[in-house]
Amino acid sequence: GAGVSQSPSNKVTEKGKDVELRCDPISGHTALYWYRQSLGQGLEFLIYFQGNSAPDKSGLPSDRFSAERTGGSVSTLTIQRTQQEDSAVYLCASSLFGQATYEQYFGPGTRLTVT
Amino acid sequence: GQQVMQIPQYQHVQEGEDFTTYCNSSTTLSNIQWYKQRPGGHPVFLIQLVKSGEVKKQKRLTFQFGEAKKNSSLHITATQTTDVGTYFCAGQGAQKLVFGQGTRLTINP
Repeated sequence: GAGVSQSPSNKVTEKGKDVELRCDPISGHTALYWYRQSLGQGLEFLIYFQGNSAPDKSGLPSDRFSAERTGGSVSTLTIQRTQQEDSAVYLCASSLFGQATYEQYFGPGTRLTVT
Repeated sequence: GQQVMQIPQYQHVQEGEDFTTYCNSSTTLSNIQWYKQRPGGHPVFLIQLVKSGEVKKQKRLTFQFGEAKKNSSLHITATQTTDVGTYFCAGQGAQKLVFGQGTRLTINP
């Protein structure tokens, strides 16, 4: 079946502009996660959704970052007034349930470049 | 908060040599997962360990979970060029899965 999809695959934006990144999880997966990965670095946790609610937003780096999930499916990560340090690959993952015993399926990521 | 540390950060080996990456948690883990990320790709789940002292094998890969459930290792025997990538461990503590920083493996053919 279809895996996790993300769009756009690449996004180049000017500093100060807002961007929206989209994630379509695997159908039926109740949990959805956003991570950020800078070049050659590890995975930085941003936010976790269980259904449409976000019980863990602890990783959002600043109030310029927000995310929502609707219909227990699609999620969007919005970055307002982008800065150059926001440049990274943004990865979305989903799992069947939110308990950490379930493996996470990652999407291909959105490469964000802020010029 | 819970931290998961991985060492080494980088490892370069000759093809055919063995490779090991180690994962250590600041707290006792309920389970640990391992993922592999190929260059330019996204992390892909490899395996999950749950029991204290558990050892699991996938062909040339051997995964271990420590007796105290605070550390884990991944050992690759006789590396091949297809093993190139970054290997992440992810440990479940109180509630959420916390990823280590990964070990990047490069191989000289």
